[in-house]
Amino acid sequence: DTEVTQTPKHLVMGMTNKKSLKCEQHMGHRAMYWYKQKAKKPPELMFVYSYEKLSINESVPSRFSPECPNSSLLNLHLHALQPEDSALYLCASSQRGDEQFFGPGTRLTVL
Amino acid sequence: AQTVTQSQPEMSVQEAETVTLSCTYDTSESDYYLFWYKQPPSRQMILVIRQEAYKQQNATENRFSVNFQKAAKSFSLKISDSQLGDAAMYFCAYRSGEYGNKLVFGAGTILRVKS
Repeated sequence: DTEVTQTPKHLVMGMTNKKSLKCEQHMGHRAMYWYKQKAKKPPELMFVYSYEKLSINESVPSRFSPECPNSSLLNLHLHALQPEDSALYLCASSQRGDEQFFGPGTRLTVL
Repeated sequence: AQTVTQSQPEMSVQEAETVTLSCTYDTSESDYYLFWYKQPPSRQMILVIRQEAYKQQNATENRFSVNFQKAAKSFSLKISDSQLGDAAMYFCAYRSGEYGNKLVFGAGTILRVKS
């Protein structure tokens, strides 16, 4: 299984809602990533988890809260988002030092 | 800090022809990896090709090959025999060292393939 899955595919939420994005991989990778991607732009790194511990936080606002319950799962909890947070949210995973495998993304719209 | 520059926002190629996408990078490190990723419209980002900086030989993957010029800090991607399925956004990316986790992406190049 060389796949990273993400749910949901699409999400529409209001600025007062709380929602979560989920990411799963079964490749035994020990590093997992969250990226934010605006249209026709490169992905921007948000968080990196290495061996289930947060290793990189790219100064992301606290309305985004990552969680890594186990080595296969990565969540991104969303609360009080702004319209400018609307974007494609990509999850990726890698074995240490190897290429990153990307999921299909969750397209988020904040109203 | 490392930077990656893709100077071609858009490129077009006729089906079956060859096209080269440019990428330059800036780093003071000696140990690093370079990648080309492909992202088709509304589809998943996938790795096209990777190059280890310590390898002098240019990487190739079927119709995709790179021209890695370490001294010039240049890493271009050549696509031969272009196919309609090659139409996508292509990102050049840099990663530090053998165990680096952070990818630094270029701005991307949109490749259009004409039939």
